[in-house]
Amino acid sequence: GNSVTQMEGPVTLSEEAFLTINCTYTATGYPSLFWYVQYPGEGLQLLLKATKADDKGSNKGFEATYRKETTSFHLEKGSVQVSDSAVYFCALRNQAGTALIFGKGTTLSVSS
Amino acid sequence: NAGVMQNPRHLVRRRGQEARLRCSPMKGHSHVYWYRQLPEEGLKFMVYLQKENIIDESGMPKERFSAEFPKEGPSILRIQQVVRGDSAAYFCASSLTNELGYTFGSGTRLTVV
Repeated sequence: GNSVTQMEGPVTLSEEAFLTINCTYTATGYPSLFWYVQYPGEGLQLLLKATKADDKGSNKGFEATYRKETTSFHLEKGSVQVSDSAVYFCALRNQAGTALIFGKGTTLSVSS
Repeated sequence: NAGVMQNPRHLVRRRGQEARLRCSPMKGHSHVYWYRQLPEEGLKFMVYLQKENIIDESGMPKERFSAEFPKEGPSILRIQQVVRGDSAAYFCASSLTNELGYTFGSGTRLTVV
C-alpha cells in the first residue's frame, strides 16, 4: 500500500543554518508529491508540490526534487529563519486521486 | 475571499454524546475532504465528498461516524456516542477540482471527557 516515511524530529537549528528533512515513499506508480507546513494552532498550508519524476517544487526558499530512483522527496532550505519554525508534513496523492497520504510530520525549531 | 471555515474551533463533549463538526469550503469549491489528526501523528484521510455524494469513505470508521455535503450549506462530520479515543483535531479541506491542491481549514479540536 501507499505510505510516507519522514525523518523523526524535532529538528533544532540556528538561524541561517541549512535544512534538510528527509522523506521517502512507497506507492504504486508515480504519485504526485507534496510538502505541507503547519504552524501552531492552524491548519496545513501547501508549501510545494511535484507531479512527476525529476520535477523540482519550490516556494519561499524551500525546495524538493521528485526522485523516482530513490523514491524520495527531501525538503531543503539554504538558510532557515525563526519564522520557519513549524511542523512539516510530506504527503503523496493516492492512485485513485481521492486522498493524500501523510507522513507523521517533522517539527522544526529555529532559534536566533 | 474567505478560506475554508470550520466551526467550532474547539468542542468538548462527554462520552456518549454526539459531536457535529461543520465545514464551509472556499467559494466555488465543490470537493470536500475530512482528515483526522491524532496527537503526535500525521493526518489520516477519512472521507471525500462532492455535493450530495460520498466519493471515497475508505478512511471512515465503520460505526458512529458519518459525513454529508448537502446541496445547500456546509459539510457536516457527525460522530455519535463519542469515546475518549475520538479526541483529536479534525481538519476539513476543499478544492476546485480533484486534481488541484487542497486548502485546509484551521480545524476543530474535539475533546471527549
